[in-house]
Amino acid sequence: QKEVEQNSGPLSVPEGAIASLNCTYSDRGSQSFFWYRQYSGKSPELIMFIYSNGDKEDGRFTAQLNKASQYVSLLIRDSQPSDSATYLCAVGITGGGNKLTFGTGTQLKVEL
Amino acid sequence: DAMVIQNPRYQVTQFGKPVTLSCSQTLNHNVMYWYQQKSSQAPKLLFHYYDKDFNNEADTPDNFQSRRPNTSFCFLDIRSPGLGDAAMYLCATSREGRGKQPQHFGDGTRLSIL
Repeated sequence: QKEVEQNSGPLSVPEGAIASLNCTYSDRGSQSFFWYRQYSGKSPELIMFIYSNGDKEDGRFTAQLNKASQYVSLLIRDSQPSDSATYLCAVGITGGGNKLTFGTGTQLKVEL
Repeated sequence: DAMVIQNPRYQVTQFGKPVTLSCSQTLNHNVMYWYQQKSSQAPKLLFHYYDKDFNNEADTPDNFQSRRPNTSFCFLDIRSPGLGDAAMYLCATSREGRGKQPQHFGDGTRLSIL
């Protein structure tokens, strides 16, 4: 079982819709969760991080964490074509020190 | 602006010819990481430094080495690049925080092997 799993997509949403990106993780003791956006050929860019159960909002982005279900999601409201990218979920694994474990990413396409 | 800078952005080398990639940071973070990322794959951690302490991943080939002469700089040396080493190499930094600190990435170096 992979430690961090994401649906590779592509996930296609129309402009203005809500995009919902999901991530599951296997280590129940994980404490920290990060979402990165990566445009094709570019490096990952930090979007949000969340440590506690519940929702965390930042502008059009909302991260949701459910530790009991080992599930973290990223919602993007009012999706724009510029949001088209791959979204990487990263998790701080118990006993991993400073290391993060990355998922393979979900490709999001926002269509006009 | 505080940032992570990687040079060069693009590197072409010949099969078997040693190559060095560099990373510098102005964030004053004490942890620096090197990742390898191939198309449609997750970034793969090669090694990281916590201050001067070097931490190698178990599956990182011996062909890959690293140096961190001071807090600001870190280098990735590939001693004898093979065709399979063509990839994007990403440098990242973070504060120490037992995985609770976000990592900040440079723009990456895309390595091609002829």
